[in-house]
Amino acid sequence: DVKVTQSSRYLVKRTGEKVFLECVQDMDHENMFWYRQDPGLGLRLIYFSYDVKMKEKGDIPEGYSVSREKKERFSLILESASTNQTSMYLCASSFIGRGGVSTDTQYFGPGTRLTVL
Amino acid sequence: KNEVEQSPQNLTAQEGEFITINCSYSVGISALHWLQQHPGGGIVSLFMLSSGKKKHGRLIATINIQEKHSSLHITASHPRDSAVYICAVRSWDDKIIFGKGTRLHILP
Repeated sequence: DVKVTQSSRYLVKRTGEKVFLECVQDMDHENMFWYRQDPGLGLRLIYFSYDVKMKEKGDIPEGYSVSREKKERFSLILESASTNQTSMYLCASSFIGRGGVSTDTQYFGPGTRLTVL
Repeated sequence: KNEVEQSPQNLTAQEGEFITINCSYSVGISALHWLQQHPGGGIVSLFMLSSGKKKHGRLIATINIQEKHSSLHITASHPRDSAVYICAVRSWDDKIIFGKGTRLHILP
């Protein structure tokens, strides 16, 4: 079974703090994604990565950065946390099949509920 | 207008009822997913469709590419089916677009 783990289920930080959210997958997937989920807004893509050291902005990258130094690990960084970044953060991964075609099936981690005070 | 619309937003039903959740989209897609999210946040991928119909246990997903519409059906619903069901599409320009979800509550 694919396993995607996130470093924390619940996190409370103060405004202005630097926050690291870690995601690890154990299936050698090329693609990794960070989403945030807010009531009434659904899931929104923040950043994704299709290879080590590669990253692409999603729909709402402002206020976030990412790091992918190893294939299995994708980190989301809040350089200076703000209260409007209080949200549920979900990591996902998928693999690229033959010919570079994505299989599309994404496997999600359990989520990190971040509260910024 | 959202590119992916789900209906209903909320649904409460009695145990045993046949459930239908709908998803309509306005963009060209290469694939459509149905996801299930239980209280506590965990998301499970139920189906990936590009055409036709798929069945897994009591769950059936259909897609009509011409009408840009997909349905998720649950037969003999059970309280453990209570969750948020999310429709997501991968557009031709490789964007992933999510619906806002349907909150399903099955009463015992």
